[in-house]
Amino acid sequence: GAGVSQSPRYKVAKRGQDVALRCDPISGHVSLFWYQQALGQGPEFLTYFQNEAQLDKSGLPSDRFFAERPEGSVSTLKIQRTQQEDSAVYLCASSARGSQPQHFGDGTRLSIL
Amino acid sequence: GQQLNQSPQSMFIQEGEDVSMNCTSSSIFNTWLWYKQEPGEGPVLLIALYKAGELTSNGRLTAQFGITRKDSFLNISASIPSDVGIYFCAGQLYAGNQFYFGTGTSLTVIP
Repeated sequence: GAGVSQSPRYKVAKRGQDVALRCDPISGHVSLFWYQQALGQGPEFLTYFQNEAQLDKSGLPSDRFFAERPEGSVSTLKIQRTQQEDSAVYLCASSARGSQPQHFGDGTRLSIL
Repeated sequence: GQQLNQSPQSMFIQEGEDVSMNCTSSSIFNTWLWYKQEPGEGPVLLIALYKAGELTSNGRLTAQFGITRKDSFLNISASIPSDVGIYFCAGQLYAGNQFYFGTGTSLTVIP
């Protein structure tokens, strides 16, 4: 499709399980961002890729969070040993270049029981 | 991280009224963006601003990049029910840096 695609749209997991969230950016977009959005809040930055290089991961809340973009297109955000505070909407955005406006997917709503 | 404060936090207005909201920061930004988010969807880009003082329109929406580069404003004229949603500002310190998002302004339009 023409936009950023994220899957799954909804994910329910038990505390302690590992989860993997996928992002398909707009074709040809060099930059890819992951954000975490808690209920009633604005998106908070997690990590940023330029092509396959992860240039900034300063927003990842702990070493349980890991992101990759091995071929410079599709990206996966993995959360290991999930905890209840990981429950949030995870948004992916892409842009043609780092300075260009970001276009968002509809997010994955993660609920940890 | 950077804090972007949006005001008002929420607005309830009658259809046809004009709306103004703003976003302020303690830091100087190079780029300001305005997004609208509806329930269950990702933020949708409305307007992008790149230069201090810049005034840009998108239909009934007009946004301005503040002269101090520490603030931005969004106006919606003649509001309609489909304007309902949460409006976020986002600022970027420099090219290639992350975007920092504001706390959001929730808009309700009463028909």
